[in-house]
Amino acid sequence: GQNIDQPTEMTATEGAIVQINCTYQTSGFNGLFWYQQHAGEAPTFLSYNVLDGLEEKGRFSSFLSRSKGYSYLLLKELQMKDSASYLCAVRTSGTYKYIFGTGTRLKVLA
Amino acid sequence: GAGVSQSPSNKVTEKGKDVELRCDPISGHTALYWYRQSLGQGLEFLIYFQGNSAPDKSGLPSDRFSAERTGGSVSTLTIQRTQQEDSAVYLCASSPDWRGEKLFFGSGTQLSVL
Repeated sequence: GQNIDQPTEMTATEGAIVQINCTYQTSGFNGLFWYQQHAGEAPTFLSYNVLDGLEEKGRFSSFLSRSKGYSYLLLKELQMKDSASYLCAVRTSGTYKYIFGTGTRLKVLA
Repeated sequence: GAGVSQSPSNKVTEKGKDVELRCDPISGHTALYWYRQSLGQGLEFLIYFQGNSAPDKSGLPSDRFSAERTGGSVSTLTIQRTQQEDSAVYLCASSPDWRGEKLFFGSGTQLSVL
């Protein structure tokens, strides 16, 4: 079956660092994606990993270990506007559809 | 267009009625995806198009749901004999092709079945 797990909710303080973990079991793998979704809005793309290792993009970094079926999203220097849901998604091989996790709601406190 | 456009943005219907949801992808994008998001939940895959064909329809919840895409552009998701459990936000996304590095999402259609 297809399964993507991530914590339901996390809380952090403005200026801090937070790591959101994602584990997956899917039939085939062709990339792992992170999306940000503010309440009432559409998801927007944050990052993409297809090879093992760390991808850094400004305050956001994403890590992938394919052998462990594991990824994390690292957010540095948290800002209030980072309060949102963060969705982990795997693109499967074969039909290339994207399977999404249920998302992690991040609350950034002043 | 500049982005993925979905219409209507909101739809209220009575149980048992049919509804049609429309998605206009970014011009030139050959891959198109439909997802459903219930309140506070993640995105549930419904169907994926590459061009006009649908390699994967596995997510359609029942035979009341169908989708088509014509001219490699606009897609319509049809729900027949709507039920209250169909109430959700229906999101459409497009990508340049199946190898695209990211999905571009529309703002969604909020469907409420009374």
